[in-house]
Amino acid sequence: AQSVTQLGSHVSVSEGALVLLRCNYSSSVPPYLFWYVQYPNQGLQLLLKYTSAATLVKGINGFEAEFKKSETSFHLTKPSAHMSDAAEYFCAVSSNDYKLSFGAGTTVTVRA
Amino acid sequence: IAGITQAPTSQILAAGRRMTLRCTQDMRHNAMYWYRQDLGLGLRLIHYSNTAGTTGKGEVPDGYSVSRANTDDFPLTLASAVPSQTSVYFCASSPRTGNSPLHFGNGTRLTVT
Repeated sequence: AQSVTQLGSHVSVSEGALVLLRCNYSSSVPPYLFWYVQYPNQGLQLLLKYTSAATLVKGINGFEAEFKKSETSFHLTKPSAHMSDAAEYFCAVSSNDYKLSFGAGTTVTVRA
Repeated sequence: IAGITQAPTSQILAAGRRMTLRCTQDMRHNAMYWYRQDLGLGLRLIHYSNTAGTTGKGEVPDGYSVSRANTDDFPLTLASAVPSQTSVYFCASSPRTGNSPLHFGNGTRLTVT
């Protein structure tokens, strides 16, 4: 069984500031890890996924995430926030059964 | 455009009524899923289907049923709706290979009164 904990249900950043969203997971087997973004009244879209080829994963819209096995973490960052980054972000983990378990989500607001 | 179509987009339903949420995908994905999204709880898996003709229970299956008669369609039925089933429901699909990500529909917002 696997589970995901996202630290902080809301994050507020200034435009141009660093965005850091925290995700810790538990899994009994090597995990597949994902970050999804959800804009208002839409479904979830894939931001990036961990493929085990590299611990630093680059995604769309300037986001990246680093897999740290020793810390069981997969934190999401973006060096410089843009107004269009305001959305809800979900970390997710799956194992060999391909079913995803999602974190509770973190809502990002960007201040001008 | 390839993707997942959910219908209806929103619905208000009286408690005790039967309701089927429709989901169709045109990507020929093997696996399909139904999630419900509730504030502060993220997305929770209701039912899933690894391939046409098979279904399985997720984390919160009670009060819901599904069928998978073919590859493209995966309807979710609420036999007798209750207010606690008020939620946003998302259908998703994946090729079910390795770490293939899920593709999501735009959701159905259901209110049970």
